[in-house]
Order: sequence, then C-alpha cells, then structure tokens
Amino acid sequence: GAVVSQHPSRVICKSGTSVKIECRSLDFQATTMFWYRQFPKKSLMLMATSNEGSKATYEQGVEKDKFLINHASLTLSTLTVTSAHPEDSSFYICSARDSTGRDSGYTFGSGTRLTVV
Amino acid sequence: QKEVEQDPGPLSVPEGAIVSLNCTYSNSAFQYFMWYRQYSRKGPELLMYTYSSGNKEDGRFTAQVDKSSKYISLFIRDSQPSDSATYLCAMSGSRVSARQLTFGSGTQLTVLP
Repeated sequence: GAVVSQHPSRVICKSGTSVKIECRSLDFQATTMFWYRQFPKKSLMLMATSNEGSKATYEQGVEKDKFLINHASLTLSTLTVTSAHPEDSSFYICSARDSTGRDSGYTFGSGTRLTVV
Repeated sequence: QKEVEQDPGPLSVPEGAIVSLNCTYSNSAFQYFMWYRQYSRKGPELLMYTYSSGNKEDGRFTAQVDKSSKYISLFIRDSQPSDSATYLCAMSGSRVSARQLTFGSGTQLTVLP
C-alpha cells in the first residue's frame, strides 16, 4: 500500500529557531500533500495544502509566513516552522493521496512531535 | 454544533468483546466515510473506506453508514489489546479534496487483556 514517510519523528528546539519537517511519498507520486496539526486528545486540524510546483494554500487563521511550505518534487513536501515559540509546540502530521490506489483514503505520515523550549 | 460529533470516550472493554464506535454528522453533502486508527504519537492509519450508505467488512472490522440518519459506525469483533488506540472517523463530500475532509475528535479505546 501507499506509504508516507515523515521526518523527524520528534524534535526539540529553542525558541526563536526554525525547524524543518519533511514528508515523502515513498511509492507513489503526490501532486498534493496536506499538513495537519493535532493537539493532545483533539482531532486533526488542516493547516495547508501543499501543491507541487506552486504556492501552498493555507487555511484561515494559519500564518503562511510562519509555516513555510515547499513542494519542490512529486514526492517531497517540507514544512518549516520559522521563529518557533512554545505555543507552536504540537504534533504535526502530513498526508497524501495515492490517486491510483484502490481506496481513496488519505495516507498519513507518522507525525512529528515538536517541542519548543 | 460541530459538523462531526464523536464520543471521545475513553472506552475500555475486555479482550474478545465487540466494540462499537460511532459518529454523527450534520452535513448531508458527505458521501465518503473513513475510519482511521491512531496509535499514541503516530499518524492516523486508514482502516476502512466506504462510499454512501451500506456496510463494508474487512476481517474483524465492519463499517456501517446510514445516510438517512447521518450516522456511521465501526464494529470491531473479537477485540484484541493491539486494537487499543484512538479511532477517528472522517468524512468528505469530495473524493479528491482533503480540504473537505472533516474529522471527528476521536474515541480512545483500551482493550484489556
């Protein structure tokens, strides 16, 4: 089945620094990938849609200058949290859809737990 | 009122029990229904995917959709400790757009050995 690899799985950074999270579709091409944020015991909140070769589409209330998204190839999207602050600490998850797959559900990465100290 | 309502639990059952997880929704445009399983500190894993009303079975898992009642269910037979996880329902009016994918808040399930 479709596999989405996300790295790192966890990262601790100092306040004010930037952190890059990678999301790769391993065995399929994804022109579109999605970035979510999840708070403890809460559901997933879509942050942005990453489009290969063009600008990302951000959901209302998500700061595009803070959460930089790059989708330079059909298998890789990156999310960079710039000038991170403790309130950015969260679980970030990417997903992609294999349009050739038998089922049309979305495959998720394993998530990145970001802690800003 | 949220578009998708899901009892957060927690739900604890003994090993071997039949588990029933449910979601209700208000948007009649939803046509695609999914159940995801999420282990602690991991990303969600797709369990079941159904389109429109009806039942779908996959091993110990059965998904049911009742569009007239705007109610979906996931049944787990012969539950195992390894089924302990958070179960998220998700639904969409579109087959291709994740922007329209709406998640429930998740139900935390513990299967006791």
